[in-house]
Amino acid sequence: DAKTTQPTSMDCAEGRAANLPCNHSTISGNEYVYWYRQIHSQGPQYIIHGLKNNETNEMASLIITEDRKSSTLILPHATLRDTAVYYCIVSPLYNFNKFYFGSGTKLNVKP
Amino acid sequence: DAGVIQSPRHEVTEMGQEVTLRCKPISGHNSLFWYRQTMMRGLELLIYFNNNVPIDDSGMPEDRFSAKMPNASFSTLKIQPSEPRDSAVYFCASTSYTENYEQYFGPGTRLTVT
Repeated sequence: DAKTTQPTSMDCAEGRAANLPCNHSTISGNEYVYWYRQIHSQGPQYIIHGLKNNETNEMASLIITEDRKSSTLILPHATLRDTAVYYCIVSPLYNFNKFYFGSGTKLNVKP
Repeated sequence: DAGVIQSPRHEVTEMGQEVTLRCKPISGHNSLFWYRQTMMRGLELLIYFNNNVPIDDSGMPEDRFSAKMPNASFSTLKIQPSEPRDSAVYFCASTSYTENYEQYFGPGTRLTVT
């Protein structure tokens, strides 16, 4: 069962910020928001996760709305190597029974 | 660390044959996952283990599929007998609480059943 909604695809110019939205209106209080990406023919790669506060690491920033019903992944300076499918997942931290990747957003970074 | 290791990387077999996929998780990780990816169904969790014990196998499609984890450094996913609809890329991933449960994925095994 899909618990997240993402656009099918997005384009971004190289060097600009990529903002990838995700709706998760039925998120439960103990569920985290995870972001993974999958570059063509490779295994998925973890990007970032958060519960309710905004998070930042060397790869990206995660902005979660105050009601936690949606979030945005921000790649501050997209490069061609960031072209990938980006998955938004909601799941409890220690329970993977419902770790559902869904269809994701295909991000195309263009020169 | 070499990361999650999967073998073989590619497997072509005939319908009805037994197929065994192998996975070596990252040393120190105590959770291991098997996923299957197809164009039609996307990336699906088949089964996962904690401390070598299967926790949830509800994603295993049918009895033809079985998974084992005899020790902390090795797991197998077996399909017997294989069918053409089993053709997919199978990923193994591992993690632990020390990694904040970030899953590290292997390169995958591309299985083709003819």
